Parts: sequence; C-alpha cells; structure tokens
Amino acid sequence: GAGVSQSPSNKVTEKGKDVELRCDPISGHTALYWYRQSLGQGLEFLIYFQGNSAPDKSGLPSDRFSAERTGGSVSTLTIQRTQQEDSAVYLCASSHPSGSVPYNEQFFGPGTRLTVL
Amino acid sequence: SQQGEEDPQALSIQEGENATMNCSYKTSINNLQWYRQNSGRGLVHLILIRSNEREKHSGRLRVTLDTSKKSSSLLITASRAADTASYFCATPSYGGATNKLIFGTGTLLAVQP
Repeated sequence: GAGVSQSPSNKVTEKGKDVELRCDPISGHTALYWYRQSLGQGLEFLIYFQGNSAPDKSGLPSDRFSAERTGGSVSTLTIQRTQQEDSAVYLCASSHPSGSVPYNEQFFGPGTRLTVL
Repeated sequence: SQQGEEDPQALSIQEGENATMNCSYKTSINNLQWYRQNSGRGLVHLILIRSNEREKHSGRLRVTLDTSKKSSSLLITASRAADTASYFCATPSYGGATNKLIFGTGTLLAVQP
C-alpha cells in the first residue's frame, strides 16, 4: 500500500508497562510527525522528524515519551511506565516538504488506540 | 494555547442539505488545511487554501479564508450520509523548521439519511 501504516492498531496495557508504537511513512516522505488525540480532545503535536535534522521534541508531554526514526524511514514512539492519562489514539503522519511550499499536506496513518488499564 | 477553535462543535443535518463549519485561528499563517476524521481514527486531507487565496473549491467542498479576521469556513454542499465525520481545520506552525500542524477543536457532523 502507498499510505502511512501504523502498528498495532490497538494496544491494551497495564499501568506501569512500557509500550512501543510503530509508524511506516509513505516512501520518499522526509518528514514524519507524531500526534496524540485524547478522548474528546483535539490533536496534540508530539514530535517531528525531518531528514537527518535533530527532531523537534517540543510536544512530548514528559520524559517517559521518546521516539526515534531509523534510516530516515520507520519510526517508533516509546512510552515508558505508562499511566492511565496516556490512553489516547496516537497518530503518525508524513509529508514531503519541497521547494517553495514547505508546509505541504500531511498524510495520516490509521492510528494506534492505546488503552492503559 | 495556539489551538484554533471551530464552531459549531456539533452539527446535525438532513441528507441533501448544506453544512457549514467555521474555524478561527490565532497566528499568521502560510496556509490553512481542512481534514476529515472518521470514527476517531486516521485523518484525511480534504483541501488546502493558501494565505493569498480567498476561496477554493474541490468537488462539493468550498473553503473560504479571511486572513484579516483569522477565520475560515468549510461548506459541504448536497451532503450525504457518508459525510458524517469530524472535521478539523489545521494551520502549520509559523517560522522555525518544524512543520507541525496546529489543529482546531473540530466539528462533529452528522448527516441523517
């Protein structure tokens, strides 16, 4: 498929456990984003990767959250010692900034629904 | 918070009617985008309007932008039951290297068959 894929689609975990969420962006897209959407809330930016540049981690809510992007492609978002307030849908998006149009549309994956019991 | 606001928060209409959603934002923008979200999962990009444009059409969608009022509207004409979804406006962060999107609070549209 040509779209952004995420896995798992659903994850249920116990409070205190670590979880890893995976994102496969569209091939060739240099920019990758993670967002979080809590129940009934808007989308909240978490982290941004662009090529080989240092990521923008300004949206990460705490030091329990981290993300990496290997080889400029696949990204994993890790949440350590999960808390109930981490329950949300985690969305990944990719885009291909180019030329004079840096703020191109973003293509979103289907999301991972995380439930922390 | 930089988050924009949308109104109404929820809208229920009959099939065939038009639906209008409004969005207000807070900062200067390069462009404004509208997304649709079904069942609380992935978002689908609908349309992008640049700051130097005032109106844009795509199929049954019409978007207007008023940068002096920092507002935009999305009109869906001849609505269908399949249009039932949440609709979000989004503006890219201004300046810096990060192209993150700042999303509005969303409008939940229900189209009754």
